[in-house]
Amino acid sequence: TQLLEQSPQFLSIQEGENLTVYCNSSSVFSSLQWYRQEPGEGPVLLVTVVTGGEVKKLKRLTFQFGDARKDSSLHITAAQPGDTGLYLCAGGGNQFYFGTGTSLTVIP
Amino acid sequence: NAGVTQTPKFRVLKTGQSMTLLCAQDMNHEYMYWYRQDPGMGLRLIHYSVGEGTTAKGEVPDGYNVSRLKKQNFLLGLESAAPSQTSVYFCASSLVGRYRDEQYFGPGTRLTVT
Repeated sequence: TQLLEQSPQFLSIQEGENLTVYCNSSSVFSSLQWYRQEPGEGPVLLVTVVTGGEVKKLKRLTFQFGDARKDSSLHITAAQPGDTGLYLCAGGGNQFYFGTGTSLTVIP
Repeated sequence: NAGVTQTPKFRVLKTGQSMTLLCAQDMNHEYMYWYRQDPGMGLRLIHYSVGEGTTAKGEVPDGYNVSRLKKQNFLLGLESAAPSQTSVYFCASSLVGRYRDEQYFGPGTRLTVT
């Protein structure tokens, strides 16, 4: 059972373009995290959102938690090659689950 | 600070062999976790520990055992390896309370079972 569904699974864009990736669930989470993972390395935490409707910004990355705390989105403005990686969402509650990830490639 | 370290980085086992993966953290974190990552499956929790001397099952615990004899170390054991256990294994740690879900990961161990 996959509690967190991420879309799209793969995304390839040109440098400078904007993009949004989504993390959806039928479950309510007390908090939701976004991680980025580069090849051969472990995931690195980007942000935590805890309040329904919360928006957080990290430079060119904007994270939003859905009002019902069941979904989240990550928007990247003017993508750069350094943004390339696997983006994972994760939800906490009684247990902790990861989504399957969105693999982003930014072409110079 | 080294953060979370894992040994070994790579290992090849034959079916039926046993091995132990070691995870160490120097951040004084209470919680520690073992995950496996497979293509298209994301990260799945194998076992976790909420403190020294305590362990609990995660989503996919079968075929694995763990021990947390010291706060800074979390061991993952495979008693009789199977090809289905070929995967990349990640250890993570976190604080307690409201920071419980903010996990810090090690670099991973790539295990191949032939």
